Amino acid sequence: DAGVIQSPRHEVTEMGQEVTLRCKPISGHNSLFWYRQTMMRGLELLIYFNNNVPIDDSGMPEDRFSAKMPNASFSTLKIQPSEPRDSAVYFCASTLAGGTNQPQHFGDGTRLSIL
Amino acid sequence: SQQGEEDPQALSIQEGENATMNCSYKTSINNLQWYRQNSGRGLVHLILIRSNEREKHSGRLRVTLDTSKKSSSLLITASRAADTASYFCATRIQGAQKLVFGQGTRLTINP
Repeated sequence: DAGVIQSPRHEVTEMGQEVTLRCKPISGHNSLFWYRQTMMRGLELLIYFNNNVPIDDSGMPEDRFSAKMPNASFSTLKIQPSEPRDSAVYFCASTLAGGTNQPQHFGDGTRLSIL
Repeated sequence: SQQGEEDPQALSIQEGENATMNCSYKTSINNLQWYRQNSGRGLVHLILIRSNEREKHSGRLRVTLDTSKKSSSLLITASRAADTASYFCATRIQGAQKLVFGQGTRLTINP
């Protein structure tokens, strides 16, 4: 079975450019999470969706970050304009929202480098 | 601040030995989960223990939970080189859906 699919796997761009990260959750999962991982701050939750609706975006660093989930099979995380401090690995995860004891399934991440 | 804190930050042992990692947290939880992350990959769920459980086994993994001390431990028995990875605990706080992850323990198994 296909797991969570993220694209691109690697992105290198210059500061000021717009960056769009993509995620396809596991079919049938109705919760989707975006995380950022750095050596300094570890794994941080940025935002999560239930049934395509954003529930908690308190982890989004600032207005330069935005996330959308137009349908159950696709989500994007956009950074505009990008800055060097945004360099990190960004993970998407999905799960079933129904119960409290569901594990999260992670993609392999997008390694983002802002020069 | 981090809900989960892990100890030790790094652990290096010989193949065949047992590895124990600890996790402490601060608030009441619904469950606690352990994940593994291999280099360059996403996190993989290993085991979940509910707040009303004290111990759980899965293959070579043994997890304990002490809610009075707000702590958990992950034991990997008869370690293998393939167990080399980072291990994270994650807590699901009561009344919330999101997980809060610790900083992880970097485990190295030496052949």
